[in-house]
Amino acid sequence: ILNVEQSPQSLHVQEGDSTNFTCSFPSSNFYALHWYRWETAKSPEALFVMTLNGDEKKKGRISATLNTKEGYSYLYIKGSQPEDSATYLCAPMTTDSWGKLQFGAGTQVVVTP
Amino acid sequence: EADIYQTPRYLVIGTGKKITLECSQTMGHDKMYWYQQDPGMELHLIHYSYGVNSTEKGDLSSESTVSRIRTEHFPLTLESARPSHTSQYLCASSESGGLWTDTQYFGPGTRLTVL
Repeated sequence: ILNVEQSPQSLHVQEGDSTNFTCSFPSSNFYALHWYRWETAKSPEALFVMTLNGDEKKKGRISATLNTKEGYSYLYIKGSQPEDSATYLCAPMTTDSWGKLQFGAGTQVVVTP
Repeated sequence: EADIYQTPRYLVIGTGKKITLECSQTMGHDKMYWYQQDPGMELHLIHYSYGVNSTEKGDLSSESTVSRIRTEHFPLTLESARPSHTSQYLCASSESGGLWTDTQYFGPGTRLTVL
């Protein structure tokens, strides 16, 4: 089982502010990193799949970067809106995990008007 | 919107009962998964399947069992429920290609409470 750490555990953001948070994972045998968003009472929804060192992905106001050499990924939310309130999960995958995702505990984001 | 369904959404049941949590998907995905999440904890993989008649145990040991007789159906069974089984159970599926980067599509989950 991988040691996946997400920090902070939770954060409160004012509407319109930007924020970012971290996913740390072992860099050895890295294969891919998934980011998911999980809104309350809904199903987890895929945001990004990242594979290459230096990868940057963007979806609307949300973007992510990947550093496979040091084992971390940042997720950024620009101009936070109340609908961005959710728990954001990262899940790395290694070459020996046979396609199985290992989820972190998530960062809970609360955006207040 | 992904077409993956779980029933029931909520279940409160007494100790010792046999329960089956249903999961169905209409996307034709070969790969299916069951995750368990205790409050405030990570999602942990407890079972997965790469196709019909294929089932494997995940990283977290579980007393539950699964079956995969049809592509679209991946039920999870607990023969004798105990309070320690109280948790949220999520089902997911992913496309049939060989890529490990395939997105997993999740169902809405079943919140199980065993009294």
